[in-house]
Amino acid sequence: GQNIDQPTEMTATEGAIVQINCTYQTSGFNGLFWYQQHAGEAPTFLSYNVLDGLEEKGRFSSFLSRSKGYSYLLLKELQMKDSASYLCAVMDSNYQLIWGAGTKLIIKP
Amino acid sequence: GAVVSQHPSWVICKSGTSVKIECRSLDFQATTMFWYRQFPKQSLMLMATSNEGSKATYEQGVEKDKFLINHASLTLSTLTVTSAHPEDSSFYICSANAMTSGDSYEQYFGPGTRLTVT
Repeated sequence: GQNIDQPTEMTATEGAIVQINCTYQTSGFNGLFWYQQHAGEAPTFLSYNVLDGLEEKGRFSSFLSRSKGYSYLLLKELQMKDSASYLCAVMDSNYQLIWGAGTKLIIKP
Repeated sequence: GAVVSQHPSWVICKSGTSVKIECRSLDFQATTMFWYRQFPKQSLMLMATSNEGSKATYEQGVEKDKFLINHASLTLSTLTVTSAHPEDSSFYICSANAMTSGDSYEQYFGPGTRLTVT
């Protein structure tokens, strides 16, 4: 079966750095996405990785290792507004997204 | 970036009535759109994949006669919840694939429609 695993909840301090991990087992791989979702809102796109390595975009970076079925989202200089759920999703061989359950990130002052 | 809109943003209806939700890609053409449902504190659940000009592909456990999907054009897909019941109350979100440079894909989401069935 297809499976995406990520931690249910994480807590971090304002100004600090946090890494949210995601492991996956899917039928085929056409890229891995990270989304941010605030409560009551639709997800917003953060990053897309299809090749191994680190993609940096401002305070957010995303890493992919296809051989290990592993990705992480790195958030630097945390701000209170970063409190949200972070969803990992993999596009499978049929170009459909398989979703993780999301990681709820709580930022404390 | 690409924009996907949904209408209405929220709707309250009585049990037994039908509700139509529209999903539009505003500045790009989407041959494929997706419909998701999200219950509180749960992950997105794919309901169906909507392809322009053909029948939608429903996920296991989703009733195709209850959730009618029509992908009338390259920029419009509609989801009709027929004979709605309180357990259909949920957050319905559509998305559309946009191909970026090379073989890169991005999936853009609509803002969602909150349905409450009383």
